[in-house]
Amino acid sequence: EPEVTQTPSHQVTQMGQEVILRCVPISNHLYFYWYRQILGQKVEFLVSFYNNEISEKSEIFDDQFSVERPDGSNFTLKIRSTKLEDSAMYFCASSEGGPSGNTIYFGEGSWLTVV
Amino acid sequence: AQSVSQHNHHVILSEAASLELGCNYSYGGTVNLFWYVQYPGQHLQLLLKYFSGDPLVKGIKGFEAEFIKSKFSFNLRKPSVQWSDTAEYFCAVNIKAAGNKLTFGGGTRVLVKP
Repeated sequence: EPEVTQTPSHQVTQMGQEVILRCVPISNHLYFYWYRQILGQKVEFLVSFYNNEISEKSEIFDDQFSVERPDGSNFTLKIRSTKLEDSAMYFCASSEGGPSGNTIYFGEGSWLTVV
Repeated sequence: AQSVSQHNHHVILSEAASLELGCNYSYGGTVNLFWYVQYPGQHLQLLLKYFSGDPLVKGIKGFEAEFIKSKFSFNLRKPSVQWSDTAEYFCAVNIKAAGNKLTFGGGTRVLVKP
């Protein structure tokens, strides 16, 4: 079964540093997403991406965050000037169409620890 | 804003026991409903989904869920659990009129004792 893959699985970074989390969505999917889960809290939506642009973003997704599809296969989340509260599991996901009628497939997550 | 509630944070039960996990959402319009499972060290996997039609949906691994619109609920059930069902279970809702995002419940950790 095709999978969404994410790298790195775990990254430790110093506060103030920039981090790039990488994802390879399922190849025929057109919608891409980032979610995060802070330890002990709910999985939260960050952003959705379609047709090479952000289609929706949450209030969490401020100027500190950006997403990019640099080539035909990768989808990245950049976090500039990381803060302690950015420590979380970040999930990439993709779907063939929007979630209204389509299944969203999740990757295994990238665990970010900011120290 | 819409919210999703899973009332049980932790459930411990023995093999062969029946499982029911509650999920309620707060939105009066048309929704798509999902249950995801996360086994230890693995990614979120779709157990089942409801888009329309028969409100009783069957998923993988013997799970089923019933959408009761009047109660804003989408409870997950399995008649007889196995040790391998030990995992965290997440209910999620997509509001059709509100775009592409899923709103998740807080998750329920299920431990099945052998």
